[in-house]
Amino acid sequence: EVQLVQSGAEMRKPGESLKISCTASGYTFTSHWIAWVRQRPGKGLEWMGFIYPRDSDTKYSPSFQGQVTFSVDKSITAAYLQWSILRASDTAMYYCARLPHFEYPVLDYWGQGTLVTVSS
Amino acid sequence: QSALTQPRSVSGSPGQSVTISCTGTTSDVGGYNYVSWYQQHPGKAPKLMIYDVRKRPSGVPDRFSGSKSGNTASLTISGLQAEDEADYYCCSKTATYTGVFGTGTKVTVL
Repeated sequence: EVQLVQSGAEMRKPGESLKISCTASGYTFTSHWIAWVRQRPGKGLEWMGFIYPRDSDTKYSPSFQGQVTFSVDKSITAAYLQWSILRASDTAMYYCARLPHFEYPVLDYWGQGTLVTVSS
Repeated sequence: QSALTQPRSVSGSPGQSVTISCTGTTSDVGGYNYVSWYQQHPGKAPKLMIYDVRKRPSGVPDRFSGSKSGNTASLTISGLQAEDEADYYCCSKTATYTGVFGTGTKVTVL
């Protein structure tokens, strides 16, 4: 059974850093991309970008380029989403999802989401 | 890349059909046959309902169907049921960074 399990809710202050995780199981981790999706409170889904665990190739959507960093640790089949400087506007639910192929926007399995709250 | 345009809400009685539109441009919806649809219940993660415009993943009821004409894709729910009440999002391939979501549509079962 394919599963993506995300790390728990986080609360930080503006200017702080953060790294959240998404641990995959039930399939070959290096054969599929992992996408990240943001959902601000009461708002819609936003495509952030994706990473290919096999070689860590990444692609960020323009709105997120330079704002976040994707990474993976193949040894523990985990993907990460990282901020070096958080802003209040980063407050959102963040989902990881499996992307079978980067050319086709099909997110077939999703994590349960990680709520990130940034407040002073 | 702007979000694809969906109606804010649609509603129908149990057993009726509802259709949700998803309008983009020739650079996304109109340019590729790669539109997917996601269902999201409150407080839950999204769930894939349709991919490649009209294909259904295993386990998705055949009450859900997808289509596309020009720059507009559509999701139709036939025989509406109470459990179909949720938010629905379309998503299309784009020429630049693979995916763009729609604005989202709330489906209400009256």
